[in-house]
Amino acid sequence: NAGVMQNPRHLVRRRGQEARLRCSPMKGHSHVYWYRQLPEEGLKFMVYLQKENIIDESGMPKERFSAEFPKEGPSILRIQQVVRGDSAAYFCASSPNTGNTEAFFGQGTRLTVV
Amino acid sequence: TQLLEQSPQFLSIQEGENLTVYCNSSSVFSSLQWYRQEPGEGPVLLVTVVTGGEVKKLKRLTFQFGDARKDSSLHITAAQTGDTGLYLCAGTNSGGSNYKLTFGKGTLLTVNP
Repeated sequence: NAGVMQNPRHLVRRRGQEARLRCSPMKGHSHVYWYRQLPEEGLKFMVYLQKENIIDESGMPKERFSAEFPKEGPSILRIQQVVRGDSAAYFCASSPNTGNTEAFFGQGTRLTVV
Repeated sequence: TQLLEQSPQFLSIQEGENLTVYCNSSSVFSSLQWYRQEPGEGPVLLVTVVTGGEVKKLKRLTFQFGDARKDSSLHITAAQTGDTGLYLCAGTNSGGSNYKLTFGKGTLLTVNP
């Protein structure tokens, strides 16, 4: 059973470009969470999605950031017009249902904005 | 905002030694999870504790959840170099947002040969 798959593992973008981060949850998991880990900071919750629905986006910046989890395909975290402060490790986690709080994390995408 | 404080922030020990790291909060959590994260990788779940006073063992690792469910500890016996990594605790609340993990900043453990 493959784990949570994230790609790319590393992404370099120039200021003002768009970044697209992809996450395929574990087989049988329909709940996806995105977390951000800034240098010297702990992991911070960004958004929680189920198939075709955003359940909680309270941790996501109001501008430039968006997330989706379509009926088919991976979940996408999209950052428009990236700035240096967006440089971080972005982790996706998945779980089978909300009654089970155990979330399994992917290896992350390390975004560097130059 | 609930906060989890982890201590110590850094810990460097020799192989074979015992150690304990702590995770403390002023808030009550419905469950608490411990993860280990290696450089360049994602957090790997070690254990989940849900009952106040609960003790769980995973080989040489012993996890304890405080009676009041505000704190937790991780004890490693006879540490090995393979135990090196960032140990993170994360709590969840009861109620509607029980999916949301609140993480501490972690304890960076280095086990020297």
